[in-house]
Amino acid sequence: SQTIHQWPATLVQPVGSPLSLECTVEGTSNPNLYWYRQAAGRGLQLLFYSVGIGQISSEVPQNLSASRPQDRQFILSSKKLLLSDSGFYLCAWKGVDRPNTEAFFGQGTRLTVV
Amino acid sequence: DAKTTQPTSMDCAEGRAANLPCNHSTISGNEYVYWYRQIHSQGPQYIIHGLKNNETNEMASLIITEDRKSSTLILPHATLRDTAVYYCIVGRNTGGFKTIFGAGTRLFVKA
Repeated sequence: SQTIHQWPATLVQPVGSPLSLECTVEGTSNPNLYWYRQAAGRGLQLLFYSVGIGQISSEVPQNLSASRPQDRQFILSSKKLLLSDSGFYLCAWKGVDRPNTEAFFGQGTRLTVV
Repeated sequence: DAKTTQPTSMDCAEGRAANLPCNHSTISGNEYVYWYRQIHSQGPQYIIHGLKNNETNEMASLIITEDRKSSTLILPHATLRDTAVYYCIVGRNTGGFKTIFGAGTRLFVKA
């Protein structure tokens, strides 16, 4: 069966420090991968998605970047965190072998920038 | 991808059916309706999806109107553990499927 791992679960980082959040998927090949951010009490905002290794699409201009060095690995990064980067970050994957399949989410990383 | 409109919050008595409405008047012919829910501080959980026919699984039923401009998620016997934010979204699985989540409906199931 497919699983998605996201870590760490919580993170407190000072302003100006770098960030690296990792997401890995098991049990599937060539998934579509997504990074979302959720501010407190708000809906999910799509940040990046990837349809293959090295292919990254950015949905909103921001202080973050994403990379996909391997088929089932998706990394969210920042060189210098801002206070506004605080939030709940979610990774998700979606299979492409069946049309209109659902997306599956990790358990998220709660980032607090102080 | 089409946008959706949902009520901000709803209450439901434990053991009763919870009916959560969603409007998606700009849905395209090849877009599906998906429902997810998010319990506090967890990742969203997939519930059900459909195109035009009504769907049922072990968690819920999805009723889609004939013109596909609205749908209703039905939790037949709500429990306290169903208290969560429920998201209705529409989308299609082209190469860059982009799931757009709104603020959802916060469902409170009360004893």
